Amino acid sequence: NAGVTQTPKFRILKIGQSMTLQCAQDMNHNYMYWYRQDPGMGLKLIYYSVGAGITDKGEVPNGYNVSRSTTEDFPLRLELAAPSQTSVYFCASSPVFDGYTFGSGTRLTVV
Amino acid sequence: GQQLNQSPQSMFIQEGEDVSMNCTSSSIFNTWLWYKQDPGEGPVLLIALYKAGELTSNGRLTAQFGITRKDSFLNISASIPSDVGIYFCAGPTGNQFYFGTGTSLTVIP
Repeated sequence: NAGVTQTPKFRILKIGQSMTLQCAQDMNHNYMYWYRQDPGMGLKLIYYSVGAGITDKGEVPNGYNVSRSTTEDFPLRLELAAPSQTSVYFCASSPVFDGYTFGSGTRLTVV
Repeated sequence: GQQLNQSPQSMFIQEGEDVSMNCTSSSIFNTWLWYKQDPGEGPVLLIALYKAGELTSNGRLTAQFGITRKDSFLNISASIPSDVGIYFCAGPTGNQFYFGTGTSLTVIP
């Protein structure tokens, strides 16, 4: 009964470093999403996918990349970390375009 | 991007009181979702609304889809300490759900 699993839970990066945030779901959902949450700003969509092999940009995609090689996994890549990418990142999935199941988040700090 | 405004931004209430919050958008939505986020966790779906005028309950929570389709309301009756958290509304435009900025609720025992 795992749902949406995100790893790591916390990470500190230096400016210019790269990393991949992992997201996996075991509900066979077609739709997967990456959001970032900044204090007092709600959630902003970074990228989304409607199925394996298909990805598209959301509202704030700059500085990020994604891939979707399987239904289960949807990793988010930061190539050159910047302080502006300090945020809490949430992955979510849904069977159709409707209410999501969210993971518990990755708190990223770029220093 | 889409603008969803939630009010109030924060609320401090006594246990047992009722709570009302709302969400307005700059455009018409066909769906409204309400989520709750506990500290350190991801948001959890509370209620989904699909029709203008719809009134839906989930325990002590009641949400309404505004007639204009540009707003939605969430009420919590007889609040308890575990109601503490941030409540978000969300609505779709194109292939994206946009989220409001949230209403932070504190319940004082």
